[in-house]
Amino acid sequence: EPEVTQTPSHQVTQMGQEVILRCVPISNHLYFYWYRQILGQKVEFLVSFYNNEISEKSEIFDDQFSVERPDGSNFTLKIRSTKLEDSAMYFCASSERVGQRDQPQHFGDGTRLSIL
Amino acid sequence: AQTVTQSQPEMSVQEAETVTLSCTYDTSENNYYLFWYKQPPSRQMILVIRQEAYKQQNATENRFSVNFQKAAKSFSLKISDSQLGDTAMYFCAFMKDLMNRDDKIIFGKGTRLHILP
Repeated sequence: EPEVTQTPSHQVTQMGQEVILRCVPISNHLYFYWYRQILGQKVEFLVSFYNNEISEKSEIFDDQFSVERPDGSNFTLKIRSTKLEDSAMYFCASSERVGQRDQPQHFGDGTRLSIL
Repeated sequence: AQTVTQSQPEMSVQEAETVTLSCTYDTSENNYYLFWYKQPPSRQMILVIRQEAYKQQNATENRFSVNFQKAAKSFSLKISDSQLGDTAMYFCAFMKDLMNRDDKIIFGKGTRLHILP
């Protein structure tokens, strides 16, 4: 069964550094998402992306965050200047289309981001 | 705004027992989807079961079933004949109707379930 893949599985970065988290969505999916889960807290929506633009973003997704689909397969989340509170598990998800009545979003394994 | 509440942070049951995980939600929407996701220690979140709000019949998937009470805004998950592999974090989640462009998933805080041998 096709899967959403995320790399790296664990990223350790110094505070203030830029970090890029990578995701390869399922190949025929057109909608892409990033969520994050701070340790011990709930999974929170960050951003959704369709047709090469952001569809919706949460309050968390401030100017330090950006997303990009640089080629036909990757979907990236960039944090420009990381803060300690950015430490979390980041999940990428993709879905085939809005209106699809099967599983709407498939999740990757996540990238654990640790900011030192 | 929609909210999802899971009041049981952690539960433990013996293997082969039945366990029920609670979830309540709040929304003003009439059509929406509810989900239970499982996140085992291997980390990938897997969809366990989903319920469409316009369907009165409770969804079932093998040993997993839900008790969907729309008026009470309650969506509990029952796991029958629990197995060691059911040990995981379980998230209750909400999404507006899939025809709406607002398709973000809103998660509860999760219930950590331990199945004991």
